[in-house]
Amino acid sequence: QKEVEQNSGPLSVPEGAIASLNCTYSDRGSQSFFWYRQYSGKSPELIMFIYSNGDKEDGRFTAQLNKASQYVSLLIRDSQPSDSATYLCAVDTGGFKTIFGAGTRLFVKA
Amino acid sequence: GAGVSQSPSNKVTEKGKDVELRCDPISGHTALYWYRQSLGQGLEFLIYFQGNSAPDKSGLPSDRFSAERTGGSVSTLTIQRTQQEDSAVYLCASSGTGGETQYFGPGTRLLVL
Repeated sequence: QKEVEQNSGPLSVPEGAIASLNCTYSDRGSQSFFWYRQYSGKSPELIMFIYSNGDKEDGRFTAQLNKASQYVSLLIRDSQPSDSATYLCAVDTGGFKTIFGAGTRLFVKA
Repeated sequence: GAGVSQSPSNKVTEKGKDVELRCDPISGHTALYWYRQSLGQGLEFLIYFQGNSAPDKSGLPSDRFSAERTGGSVSTLTIQRTQQEDSAVYLCASSGTGGETQYFGPGTRLLVL
């Protein structure tokens, strides 16, 4: 069974620190990787996607992909209280079926 | 442009009743997904539609659940003989094609008494 694993947290970081969120996946054939943010009571919204090994930066967010080790991570620099949310890792396993992890709850302390 | 819309936003029903949940995807998106999210849990995949292809129903939890997508646009998720364990938020998402970024609707919060 294809799986996507995330530490449920909560991950607590002080304001201004770097938050590091990790995700592992089981299907080596996976091609596309996504990070979604979900505020409490709201729907998920896309933060970043990454297809190739290495780093991809967008503002304060950096996604890192290592296909050999089957992990993808999200770094949030200069964390703000408004970043407090659940972060969902999603993997497209081919056949257009996306598997979501259970999410990591992030709490940024002011 | 308009995003994904879902209706109703909230639904309270009695155990054993049937319910219909509606999803209107972003215009032009060929892929449509239904997920279920219980309180404090991750997203549970239910069903996926891609264009005119046969839907991927592998996530439907029982034969009480069914979904249709008419004319490649609006989709309806039907739950027959609802049970209390069906209580959850039902999220719909669409994407340009399968495998791309998914855009989520606001969800329907279903409570089965």
